[in-house]
Amino acid sequence: SQQGEEDPQALSIQEGENATMNCSYKTSINNLQWYRQNSGRGLVHLILIRSNEREKHSGRLRVTLDTSKKSSSLLITASRAADTASYFCATSGAGSYQLTFGKGTKLSVIP
Amino acid sequence: NAGVMQNPRHLVRRRGQEARLRCSPMKGHSHVYWYRQLPEEGLKFMVYLQKENIIDESGMPKERFSAEFPKEGPSILRIQQVVRGDSAAYFCASSPGSLLGEQFFGPGTRLTVL
Repeated sequence: SQQGEEDPQALSIQEGENATMNCSYKTSINNLQWYRQNSGRGLVHLILIRSNEREKHSGRLRVTLDTSKKSSSLLITASRAADTASYFCATSGAGSYQLTFGKGTKLSVIP
Repeated sequence: NAGVMQNPRHLVRRRGQEARLRCSPMKGHSHVYWYRQLPEEGLKFMVYLQKENIIDESGMPKERFSAEFPKEGPSILRIQQVVRGDSAAYFCASSPGSLLGEQFFGPGTRLTVL
């Protein structure tokens, strides 16, 4: 089964609102990363959070990690139409180089 | 500094033909990873290579699929005798090392098997 599962599968918000996406995983991880994918395009790396970190910021992005609950959240503040994309979490375990992706959250930001 | 390059971007093949997908990693990166993405799905790991070595091919189908990363030139993912189920987006990623950091992804090759 998938290591990462994003929730919700789809999210539609108005421009200016905040968007929160969640990711749950099953086994121990070394780090968790969030990627963005615009329709029909490649993946863009957004942020990496290590297992010993609890929160990380990058511009309008805030990522939290709760290893006790095996979950992470990605918050995008003051969303813009250009944020419309699919967002994936990807995990890697200790000593592993493989990234294991969830199915993603499809975010639509309505102007 | 150019990013990860993949070509072709789109590839159409008929059933039974061969597909060759190319990936040039970022400058200075010696680790290459291939992933496959089916429609509405996340990416699935296929294979991890370093120059002239396959390190882990546990995600790659045992038959018809092969990968290489020669000393000179791009990494190649080769699919022989393609079937409709091979239709997918194939992404290549590279990193300077394997130690649990960011992987930089290319734009992908979208393979359509008719």
